[in-house]
Amino acid sequence: NAGVTQTPKFQVLKTGQSMTLQCAQDMNHNSMYWYRQDPGMGLRLIYYSASEGTTDKGEVPNGYNVSRLNKREFSLRLESAAPSQTSVYFCASSVWGASADTQYFGPGTRLTVL
Amino acid sequence: AQSVTQPDIHITVSEGASLELRCNYSYGATPYLFWYVQSPGQGLQLLLKYFSGDTLVQGIKGFEAEFKRSQSSFNLRKPSVHWSDAAEYFCAVGGSRDDKIIFGKGTRLHILP
Repeated sequence: NAGVTQTPKFQVLKTGQSMTLQCAQDMNHNSMYWYRQDPGMGLRLIYYSASEGTTDKGEVPNGYNVSRLNKREFSLRLESAAPSQTSVYFCASSVWGASADTQYFGPGTRLTVL
Repeated sequence: AQSVTQPDIHITVSEGASLELRCNYSYGATPYLFWYVQSPGQGLQLLLKYFSGDTLVQGIKGFEAEFKRSQSSFNLRKPSVHWSDAAEYFCAVGGSRDDKIIFGKGTRLHILP
């Protein structure tokens, strides 16, 4: 039982490049989330998926797209990376909803955009 | 919209001393409240959560938190800290209206030997 896994752990991009961050969970959770963490800002929700086939915007969705590929996997795509997207990205999952349930977090992906 | 304020960006305590980390929230209905801990380079781990019932909540690693509705607070406490408690602590609030939770900006705890 690996919990929540994220790939890659580190990534450096040039401005304008695209990439996809991968997230998978093996806990049979319905809900999955993408957050970004910046110094002094706490965690901010980018997108979330309450169940397979649904996605919703969070607090800071601009510049990102997501895909809930199946129940296990939830990917985050940067179509044209910008330096403002330099951050640590965390994926999380919960059984049926973050607002009243425990979220389990992945180890994070540290992204630098030059 | 809900919000969370953690007034202290940094807190330093001596090992063995007691600890209290402050959290104030804003939410228009009954809140669900969480405390998470993040060690350097790691993801977040849930310490404890409050949904309803007893306002004093016990968590892992000897932590507890008290929900005070009149003060809109959910402060985290520990009677005696250990060097391994040095980390960043996040308070978060969610609720029954939607599936989002909002995190505070965090308090970094430093432990003096």
